[in-house]
Amino acid sequence: EAGVAQSPRYKIIEKRQSVAFWCNPISGHATLYWYQQILGQGPKLLIQFQNNGVVDDSQLPKDRFSAERLKGVDSTLKIQPAKLEDSAVYLCASSSGLGAKYFGPGTRLLVL
Amino acid sequence: QKEVEQNSGPLSVPEGAIASLNCTYSDRGSQSFFWYRQYSGKSPELIMFIYSNGDKEDGRFTAQLNKASQYVSLLIRDSQPSDSATYLCAVKNGNEKLTFGTGTRLTIIP
Repeated sequence: EAGVAQSPRYKIIEKRQSVAFWCNPISGHATLYWYQQILGQGPKLLIQFQNNGVVDDSQLPKDRFSAERLKGVDSTLKIQPAKLEDSAVYLCASSSGLGAKYFGPGTRLLVL
Repeated sequence: QKEVEQNSGPLSVPEGAIASLNCTYSDRGSQSFFWYRQYSGKSPELIMFIYSNGDKEDGRFTAQLNKASQYVSLLIRDSQPSDSATYLCAVKNGNEKLTFGTGTRLTIIP
């Protein structure tokens, strides 16, 4: 079974630029999550999708972050404009609803 | 109060000893509980989950859950240097939302 795929793996941008991340979940997993993990901290949930509907985006900074999951499969997370404090690893995870969650390799973002 | 609390460590344990990792949570409606291992520079990897009060064993790992005390722990027996990592406790509510603690950094000393 293929795992959760993410791209790019690394991204360096300047503040005020925009960036987009892509995630392809495990086949058949209805639930998809985007987490932000700042160095030394646990992952923080940004947004949770059930199929293509948003279940929880309470911690998503909506003035600059947006996410979509078209057709209930792939998802993209966008930051526009980026700030220095957005430097983090962005993790995508998927779940079949049985409780276990599997993470992708993450995208490391550095904002200069 | 944080939703999920863990001692950040570092926790140092001699090789071959038992490592004990602890986690408390604030939401009494939490339904399931997960332990992830995260090596430096890598993504979290699920190692155990538990739903019911009591103990659940898987190889060298034992998860313990006490819902009345809102407490979950992970025991690692016969600790190995390869167990050195950050261990993340996560708690799931009825909406499938998974909330993580800040993690405990474990070092196994050869």
